[in-house]
Amino acid sequence: QSVLTQPPSVSAAPGQKVTISCSGGSSNIGNYYVSWYQQFPGTAPKLLIYDNNKRPSGISDRFSGSTSGTSATLGITGLQTVDEADYYCGTWDDSLSEEVFGGGTKVTVL
Amino acid sequence: EVQLVESGGGLVKPGGSLRLSCEAPRFSLSNYNMNWVRQAPGKGLEWVSSITGHSTYIYYGDSVKGRFTISRDNARNSVFLQMTSLRDEDTAVYYCVREHTEGLGNYFDYWGQGTLVTVST
Repeated sequence: QSVLTQPPSVSAAPGQKVTISCSGGSSNIGNYYVSWYQQFPGTAPKLLIYDNNKRPSGISDRFSGSTSGTSATLGITGLQTVDEADYYCGTWDDSLSEEVFGGGTKVTVL
Repeated sequence: EVQLVESGGGLVKPGGSLRLSCEAPRFSLSNYNMNWVRQAPGKGLEWVSSITGHSTYIYYGDSVKGRFTISRDNARNSVFLQMTSLRDEDTAVYYCVREHTEGLGNYFDYWGQGTLVTVST
């Protein structure tokens, strides 16, 4: 059971938009910045979003992040087959004194 | 290009020990907090441990506390994870991860390719 809750999967047709939710609490998302990671099968995760809504150099502007209270959201617009991957949210939890991740969401392009 | 190279994974029996290493050929590790994050087969990410640049602060996840020890040797530009009393549930790919701490929030900006640890009889 992950501290941060994500839907196991989301899907949409090419060109559409998907959003992935990440629900936490006051000890984590409510007080700390959220990052998002993209992982393709058999490869290491890669930083996608940091500080809630910032994109590292080289990350497409089709990816966006936002937070509201104790929840965070990753958005992917103009969905492409290359976006099929697992996506994880992460942040610090000061009650646990641990970095915590969501359980991951698999994005499928229909 | 930032690169993190893990080594030391392998097959070990329950109750056994293993030491993972992480090297950074192209940047100085001493300027960064370093972490280990693991991923069991078919499962999500689980943070294992972190160590600050000069080993001042060390943290562990509850599932490994008392069994794993993180350390670093900045002269050798390396980070280590000593794992003892290994259990079946420690089977995972272990990633060495650099933590970015300058700015608003902390986040994991670079990940190694991972090294597989299998605990089995």
